[in-house]
Amino acid sequence: QKEVEQDPGPLSVPEGAIVSLNCTYSNSAFQYFMWYRQYSRKGPELLMYTYSSGNKEDGRFTAQVDKSSKYISLFIRDSQPSDSATYLCAMNQGGANNLFFGTGTRLTVIP
Amino acid sequence: GAVVSQHPSWVICKSGTSVKIECRSLDFQATTMFWYRQFPKQSLMLMATSNEGSKATYEQGVEKDKFLINHASLTLSTLTVTSAHPEDSSFYICSARGGRDGYTFGSGTRLTVV
Repeated sequence: QKEVEQDPGPLSVPEGAIVSLNCTYSNSAFQYFMWYRQYSRKGPELLMYTYSSGNKEDGRFTAQVDKSSKYISLFIRDSQPSDSATYLCAMNQGGANNLFFGTGTRLTVIP
Repeated sequence: GAVVSQHPSWVICKSGTSVKIECRSLDFQATTMFWYRQFPKQSLMLMATSNEGSKATYEQGVEKDKFLINHASLTLSTLTVTSAHPEDSSFYICSARGGRDGYTFGSGTRLTVV
């Protein structure tokens, strides 16, 4: 079983739609949860960073963590064509430990 | 925010030659650097972790003699692909631990071995 599972998609939505991206994980020691956005042939860029359970909102983006279910989500409201990218979830126990990544979900927002 | 500069962004080399990829943290000290490899439409695969001034720790299945990592200072880490072969063609990305954002990624290097 992989440490982190993520549906690779691809996912296509019309402009303005609400997008829901999800990951599940198996290691209950994970405390730090991130969402990265990666454009083609570029390095990942940090979108959201959450510690432990709860919600965090930043503009059109909302990150949710449910540690009891080992399930995290990223919601994108009013999606834009510029949101078209691959979204990677990542997590770890903290400290200087490496991040464990999901496979990434490829999102296309159609104008 | 924190910035990691990775060079070159792309390189084409002949089979059997060596290629060096550099990652520099521009505005913070990177205590730990991670090197990843990414195949098309796949996630990042950790190759090795390096701490400044010490030997890198390689993940299982990664040949340390083929992928040489040097982390000589708190702002510079290099990955050298030695005697490259076509199967080494991939997208290589570094990540630095440190700075306000926690983990900062370079922009990646696309290596093509012909």
